[in-house]
Amino acid sequence: EIVLTQSPGTLSLSPGERATLSCRASQSVSSTYLAWYQQKSGQAPRLLIYAASSRATGMPDRFSGSGSGTDFILTISRLEPEDSAVYYCHQYGSSPTFGQGTKVEIK
Amino acid sequence: EVQLVQSGAEVKKPGESLKISCKSSGYSFRNYWIGWVRQMPGKGLEWMGFIYPGDSDARYSPSFQGQVTISADNSINTAYLQWSSLKASDTAMYYCARHRRYAYFPDAFDIWGQGTMVTVSS
Repeated sequence: EIVLTQSPGTLSLSPGERATLSCRASQSVSSTYLAWYQQKSGQAPRLLIYAASSRATGMPDRFSGSGSGTDFILTISRLEPEDSAVYYCHQYGSSPTFGQGTKVEIK
Repeated sequence: EVQLVQSGAEVKKPGESLKISCKSSGYSFRNYWIGWVRQMPGKGLEWMGFIYPGDSDARYSPSFQGQVTISADNSINTAYLQWSSLKASDTAMYYCARHRRYAYFPDAFDIWGQGTMVTVSS
């Protein structure tokens, strides 16, 4: 099983700042099979990024993904208050797994 | 509008059986893989398994193989997750979610149901 480790556990930033979230895999993951989801409190997850860097339909362009191999990054370029959520990475190339999540708090 | 609507919250006793549902609309149900994801209280997401309704090909996470059964009924565009004997540790929110592309495997989940909360308590 591929283990995904996200860091940091919690990120506390002000509106307008840049957030950088990391997802590290225990073995190489094809970038074709890496996604990011946003889950707000009390809601279902929502697809943000697929294939490591492709934005899902309707997602704002302040969200971007990058990376390859074992290291992937989700960047939120200018935080908005509504970006307060938990963000999960997800590899779906073999026996899918999720990271444990990074909580983003807006000060 | 493409959507997945799940059945309502359940409260069950240990040892009881349960089947929860996920009804799709707005797309060709039989041609998209649908997965199930568990979220225990205050915890992260865990992939349980998925099914291709077109031929009922079901695949399971090793962690859930033998613990649950995933099925689908194309006549009513509905996928199911069922347990034969619930445990207290099955208490969680369960989400169904659809693969992003037509007949494509593997894929990210682009449409999610609203979740079904299952509580198992004596």
